[in-house]
Formats: sequence, structure tokens, C-alpha cells
Amino acid sequence: AQKITQTQPGMFVQEKEAVTLDCTYDTSDPSYGLFWYKQPSSGEMIFLIYQGSYDQQNATEGRYSLNFQKARKSANLVISASQLGDSAMYFCAMREGENTGNQFYFGTGTSLTVIP
Amino acid sequence: DSGVTQTPKHLITATGQRVTLRCSPRSGDLSVYWYQQSLDQGLQFLIQYYNGEERAKGNILERFSAQQFPDLHSELNLSSLELGDSALYFCASSVGIDSRRTDTQYFGPGTRLTVL
Repeated sequence: AQKITQTQPGMFVQEKEAVTLDCTYDTSDPSYGLFWYKQPSSGEMIFLIYQGSYDQQNATEGRYSLNFQKARKSANLVISASQLGDSAMYFCAMREGENTGNQFYFGTGTSLTVIP
Repeated sequence: DSGVTQTPKHLITATGQRVTLRCSPRSGDLSVYWYQQSLDQGLQFLIQYYNGEERAKGNILERFSAQQFPDLHSELNLSSLELGDSALYFCASSVGIDSRRTDTQYFGPGTRLTVL
């Protein structure tokens, strides 16, 4: 089974509108961390936001927020007031457990296009 | 700018050759990770080093090897190169004290390898 699933290969959003990028994960470990990264066309991977499995509140970072629904094992990224510069690939990732030294599991990504 | 540096930015070589990719982590980070990103395979974890020691291994081929030096920079060696090795190779670093679930990875700009 895939550890991270991103079911939207491509999304379009009108400038200044909000958009939600979906991410579901699969783990039996009670302790895990969820991450979102942005990859613009220039290629670099930019860390956006983190959510811990024990965090009581949804994470927020500026225009980014994470809609964390633990029972549904989903960690959707919400981008508010979209800007043209938000056009990029977005990757969801997970690390399981504490002190594991294990790698991140990445999803296949969602390509977001912001339309003027 | 994540603070992680990678050289070279681009590399073009021929099949059968050997190349070395270099990575310098963010100041203070002890863990270095290597990833391969290709169009058909997505983002694949290769290997992790923590303070000079190999910590975790992913989908790394026998023809590939890596090491982390005392000054914490890392090198990824790719040998007997094949056309299918053409990809974007990322290095990421994290504090990595205990590789906890909160340990965010910060990515370098990547090295784009083209094998002709």
C-alpha cells in the first residue's frame, strides 16, 4: 500500500481564490509527522508546513494551512488567496515514528496552476 | 534559499562514466539525505547519513554510493552510468539529532544529471 496518496495530478485555481490539495496517508504508527513541499518549475523543493500526529490544532503558516483529519488519515493543504507564484508541484510527505532515522515517504505530487 | 548547497547544478556525461555530486548541509544540520527525482519514478529516497554514519538506505542501486565527511558535507558517487540514471538528484539536510518525526528536511537546489 502507498504510504502517501495524492489523487489530484493537476489542479487549477483562479487567482485570489482558495484551493485545497488532497493528501491521504497510511500508517499504523501513532507517532508521525506530515509535511508539505512546493516545487516550482525552477526545480527546488521548498518546505511549506508541518503537522504532527499529536498536534491538537491544525498547522498554519501564512497563507498555508493544513486540514488535518486524523481519523480519516488525511492532511490536505489549503492555500488561501492564491497568487500566480503559487503555480508549482506540491508534494505531501510523511515520516513515521520517533527516533527512527527513516526516510520521508513522498506522494506523487499535485501540479497547481493559478489562472490570472 | 534553504541553506543547503549542491554542486554542480548541471552535469552532462556519457553512459558508462562515473560522476560525483556534492552537497553541503545547512549549518548545524547533522543529517544528509539523497533523493533521485525522475519523471517516471517520482521522488525516490536513496540514502541517509547522520554525523558521518550511514543511517538509512532506500532504493539505492549497487552502482551508487555515498559518504558523509567529518565536515558533514556529503558526496554521492554514481558509476557505470546508464541512460535511465538521468534525473534530478536532491540533497536534503536536517538537524537530525534523533531523527524525530518533527525533523524537517530542507532541500538543496538539486543537480540535474543527463546521461547521453
